[in-house]
Amino acid sequence: NAGVTQTPKFQVLKTGQSMTLQCAQDMNHEYMSWYRQDPGMGLRLIHYSVGAGITDQGEVPNGYNVSRSTTEDFPLRLLSAAPSQTSVYFCASSRDPQSSYNEQFFGPGTRLTVL
Amino acid sequence: AQSVTQLDSQVPVFEEAPVELRCNYSSSVSVYLFWYVQYPNQGLQLLLKYLSGSTLVKGINGFEAEFNKSQTSFHLRKPSVHISDTAEYFCAVSDRGAGFQKLVFGTGTRLLVSP
Repeated sequence: NAGVTQTPKFQVLKTGQSMTLQCAQDMNHEYMSWYRQDPGMGLRLIHYSVGAGITDQGEVPNGYNVSRSTTEDFPLRLLSAAPSQTSVYFCASSRDPQSSYNEQFFGPGTRLTVL
Repeated sequence: AQSVTQLDSQVPVFEEAPVELRCNYSSSVSVYLFWYVQYPNQGLQLLLKYLSGSTLVKGINGFEAEFNKSQTSFHLRKPSVHISDTAEYFCAVSDRGAGFQKLVFGTGTRLLVSP
């Protein structure tokens, strides 16, 4: 099992550029999510999905889009990057979306810088 | 809504000394509580969790935490730390029975272990 994989590991964008952060898991998990991690702010939920074809907004969704066409993949799209989106992005997955008592498995993160 | 407070942003300690990382939460309902660890340049990994039952919870790598309902705390302890414990530690809380979208992370405590 590769677990949760994320690509790229590092990315530098110019303001206004678009890009997609990739996330994949091979554990057949129903629940997948995207967080951003900023200094002094912990992790904040951007978007999440409870299964293929179902997505919803988290705490900080503005400027990001997601889709979930398969169980395995959950890409995060930045349509027009802004310096405020400079952050470390983590994808996570879990077996059961209905209850938070299950463990979430995190990917290694993508460090994004927007100039 | 829940919130989590990790008062100490950084805790320096010498190798083989005991350590306590503090976590306080606020919630109007029963909760699940978690501690995650993030080693340098890696994603988060679950250390331990409190769901119900015994208030003393043992986790991986010799860590334990005690749930104190009256003080709304869930402090993390280890009797003797190693250099390899240097990492950032996140406390998280979720309403019992809620989905992952209700999971709230604290701002993190960086544990620095020196020889």
